[in-house]
Order: sequence, then structure tokens, then C-alpha cells
Amino acid sequence: AQRVTQPEKLLSVFKGAPVELKCNYSYSGSPELFWYVQYSRQRLQLLLRHISRESIKGFTADLNKGETSFHLKKPFAQEEDSAMYYCALGNQAGTALIFGKGTTLSVSS
Amino acid sequence: DSGVTQTPKHLITATGQRVTLRCSPRSGDLSVYWYQQSLDQGLQFLIQYYNGEERAKGNILERFSAQQFPDLHSELNLSSLELGDSALYFCASSVAIPGELFFGEGSRLTVL
Repeated sequence: AQRVTQPEKLLSVFKGAPVELKCNYSYSGSPELFWYVQYSRQRLQLLLRHISRESIKGFTADLNKGETSFHLKKPFAQEEDSAMYYCALGNQAGTALIFGKGTTLSVSS
Repeated sequence: DSGVTQTPKHLITATGQRVTLRCSPRSGDLSVYWYQQSLDQGLQFLIQYYNGEERAKGNILERFSAQQFPDLHSELNLSSLELGDSALYFCASSVAIPGELFFGEGSRLTVL
């Protein structure tokens, strides 16, 4: 069965500090991993996906199949990064994305 | 706005009642997904439709049902409502499977 675990419900950091939002998944096949973000009063939107291997808004995430993880990282947090972050798992069969419970990131000055 | 639209935005009803939530996907998107968001459970996948046919089912209760119509809009029907059904219900659509999901603003259901 597919499962996504985000162990932290809330992560509070100071502006300029590094950020790492953890995500672990469980899936026996070839996974597709995504990070979605929901800013205050905005829609849930895609932040990045592992297949693109790109950096969006300074965030990066590397798929580690050995550790079944897809942690989201940013070297220097900004106040505008404060939001709810969801890790999501898809598969080649194309069934719907399974989301973790989300982590609220709070960046204060 | 050619994004995903959901109606109503807010809905308050009583236990035992039935409601219908409506979703119009982005133009050109064939796939529609329904998710339930609650404080305890996060985003729970309910059901997926592709071009009018059910594609996948998640943790959808038997009291809930959905369909996708020929014009690709979708409706989620919730019946015999209970207090625990109070949540934010999101609809999302996508062009490709798997692919980027585009979310609506959600319908907030409050059951009193």
C-alpha cells in the first residue's frame, strides 16, 4: 500500500536559518514524488516534483530510494516561506496522489 | 478564471441531511479528483474520475458518492451527514495521469 509520512506537524525557524521538511514514503513500485504548498488564503499548488530535479523558490528535494525519503530543503528560510507543505506520492499506474498530513512551516524574524 | 472552480464555498447543514458539492475542472483536463481535508487526517483521497469513468477509489465512505458528467464537471454527494463529516472538500483536476494536480479553493462543509 502507498503511504506518506510527514513526521512534523509544525516546524518553526528563524529567518535565514536552514529548513528541512521531512517526508518518508512507502511504495513497492517506482514512485513519483511531489511537494505541494498552501500559502495563507491561496490554493494548494505544486511546488516541485522529483522528476524535474529543479529548484523552486530556493527549495530542493532529492529522492532517496534507499531511505525512501523525499525531504524538502532550503538553505536560508524567508518569512514568505511560511505555509503548509504537503508531500505527495504518485505512481506509474496513474492513480491519484496520496498526500501526507502536512507540515506547517513558520518562519519568524 | 479558467482554473478549477468549486461551489458552494461554504455550506452549513444539519446531521442526517444530504448535500451536493460541485466541481468544474480546468478547461481541457479530463481527470477529476476529490479530497477531504480535516485537521486530524490531512488531505485524504476520496475518489478519482477520468473522462466520465471512475478511475480510483480511496477512503470514501459508502454514504458518499460521486460522478463525472459528459461536460467533465463532477459532483460529490454526501448523505446521512454526521458531525465528523465537517471538513474542507477539495476538487482537483489534471491533464495527464500522473501529472500536476490543480486544486480548487475548496468547499467548507459544517455539519451541526
